[in-house]
Amino acid sequence: NAGVTQTPKFRVLKTGQSMTLLCAQDMNHEYMYWYRQDPGMGLRLIHYSVGEGTTAKGEVPDGYNVSRLKKQNFLLGLESAAPSQTSVYFCASSTGQGAMNTEAFFGQGTRLTVV
Amino acid sequence: KQEVTQIPAALSVPEGENLVLNCSFTDSAIYNLQWFRQDPGKGLTSLLLIQSSQREQTSGRLNASLDKSSGRSTLYIAASQPGDSATYLCAVRASGTYKYIFGTGTRLKVLA
Repeated sequence: NAGVTQTPKFRVLKTGQSMTLLCAQDMNHEYMYWYRQDPGMGLRLIHYSVGEGTTAKGEVPDGYNVSRLKKQNFLLGLESAAPSQTSVYFCASSTGQGAMNTEAFFGQGTRLTVV
Repeated sequence: KQEVTQIPAALSVPEGENLVLNCSFTDSAIYNLQWFRQDPGKGLTSLLLIQSSQREQTSGRLNASLDKSSGRSTLYIAASQPGDSATYLCAVRASGTYKYIFGTGTRLKVLA
């Protein structure tokens, strides 16, 4: 009964370091998303994917890269972390738009601090 | 551009009260609307999903309504309990897109 699992849950990075956040879903969902949540700004879409091997930019893509080599995994990379990337990151997944149930399911979040 | 607004930003009520949370959106061409609950430091838990063709959905003490023409949804919580204290978020999925657009949430505190 895993749903959407994010790894790691917490991380502290120094400015300029790189890291990868992993999102895994076991619901065979086509669509996957990465959001960031900041106080007073709500959730903003970073990148998303509509299927294996595809990615697209969201509202705030700068400084991030993504890959979806396998249907169940969606990776978010920070090549050179900046303090402005301090945030809570959420991964989500949902079925394709043609399906009747297009409910989005979210992971528990990754709290990232860049010092 | 679709924008989602939630009012009020914060709400404090005594236990047992029935309450209404509001969500408004600027573009009525939506595929669905989803209400979430978020506890401090936690992820988002889905509460209710309303498809564009539906007017309301119910789950236990929760009832969500959707009026696409006016760009509004309400989440009704009956007989509120301290355990209902959390932030409530609504998100819309615009027709023809893959994205969910979120409001900034209503932070609810139910006092014992």
